[in-house]
Amino acid sequence: NAGVTQTPKFQVLKTGQSMTLQCAQDMNHNSMYWYRQDPGMGLRLIYYSASEGTTDKGEVPNGYNVSRLNKREFSLRLESAAPSQTSVYFCATQERGKEGYTFGSGTRLTVV
Amino acid sequence: TQLLEQSPQFLSIQEGENLTVYCNSSSVFSSLQWYRQEPGEGPVLLVTVVTGGEVKKLKRLTFQFGDARKDSSLHITAAQPGDTGLYLCAGFSSGGSYIPTFGRGTSLIVHP
Repeated sequence: NAGVTQTPKFQVLKTGQSMTLQCAQDMNHNSMYWYRQDPGMGLRLIYYSASEGTTDKGEVPNGYNVSRLNKREFSLRLESAAPSQTSVYFCATQERGKEGYTFGSGTRLTVV
Repeated sequence: TQLLEQSPQFLSIQEGENLTVYCNSSSVFSSLQWYRQEPGEGPVLLVTVVTGGEVKKLKRLTFQFGDARKDSSLHITAAQPGDTGLYLCAGFSSGGSYIPTFGRGTSLIVHP
């Protein structure tokens, strides 16, 4: 039982390049989330999807787009990467409202 | 925006010592969660507290939710190197939102 799988685990991009971070879950959870974690800033919500077919902006959505491809998969796209997007990105799932999150192991992204 | 303040920000102790970390807010939360994040991994849910004054124990970890549901503490007895990690609290507001507010975390290092 893999839980929440994020790919890739590490990535280095040049400024202006684009890429998509993938997240897949096998727990049949309805809600999925993308967070970024930066030193001293804690976890900040980028986008979330309460259910298949819906997406909403979180606290820091600028420079990102998301797609809830189906119930299992939620991807995060950087169209034109900037050094300020250097961070560790976490995908999380939640079975239903106010339950605990299950996090993936993260994608460590460096933009040079 | 509801804020959760965690203290201390950093803690470095020797194996066998006891410690307490705190999670405080001026807002009331309907429930509060504690997560532990090991280096290079995503946060893992430890416990959810729901009732004011509630105390939950998980082996050597004791979690308490304040009577007014504005604060929480995590006490570790006889810390071990395996307790090393980032401890995060996350609170759900008393309103309808199912997206928690995360604290910035307490980074704990337990030396052998």
